[in-house]
Amino acid sequence: DIKMTQSPSSLSASVGDRITITCRASQNIRTYLNWYQQKPGKAPKLLIYAASSLQTGVSSRFSGSGSGTDFTLTINSLQPEDFAHYFCQQSYSSPRSFGQGTKLEI
Amino acid sequence: EAQLLESGGGLVQPGGSLRLSCAASGFTFGSSDMCWVRQVAGKGLEWVATISGSRSTAYYADSVKGRFTISRDNSNNTLYLQLNSLRVEDTAVYFCAKDTSTFLNSNYYYYMDVWGKGTTVTVSS
Repeated sequence: DIKMTQSPSSLSASVGDRITITCRASQNIRTYLNWYQQKPGKAPKLLIYAASSLQTGVSSRFSGSGSGTDFTLTINSLQPEDFAHYFCQQSYSSPRSFGQGTKLEI
Repeated sequence: EAQLLESGGGLVQPGGSLRLSCAASGFTFGSSDMCWVRQVAGKGLEWVATISGSRSTAYYADSVKGRFTISRDNSNNTLYLQLNSLRVEDTAVYFCAKDTSTFLNSNYYYYMDVWGKGTTVTVSS
């Protein structure tokens, strides 16, 4: 099974900041990488698929990059609604594993 | 607007059974692959099972294989997850999700683009 490791596990930032979250795969997953946002008590929301494709309706402040084993999620000009948990997920092979998550807090 | 609504969660003793349902609306359910994902409180996400839209082929995580069964009723736009031989470690919020594929740069990419709000399963004596 492919193991996904996110860093950092938690991150403190301020409104208006630019932040980056990293996701590393235990083997080459090409660009089969998705990013999700989850707020407390809510379902995950798809942000990015195929490493860098922005899901319809998601703010352009979110962007993704990377290929192979190393990926990043960048959020520009943080807004109050961006403070949440973020998860990466590989869709290269089954089981489609998730990272352990990154908590973005004020 | 595509929507999913889970139901059927509850408290059950170890070794017991439960059936979860997920009602779909706003998209072509019958041709959509669907899945279940669970989340232990305060922890990460774990894919549980997927069922294809057309042929109803099912795939399972090793942790639930032989105990859980995913199924669907395309005539009623409903997804199910039968949970048998439940263990304490199955305690989690269970989400159903639509599993979508996109053809991009000569490859098919899969992602979960519609999620329900989740239903809570608690396994405890």
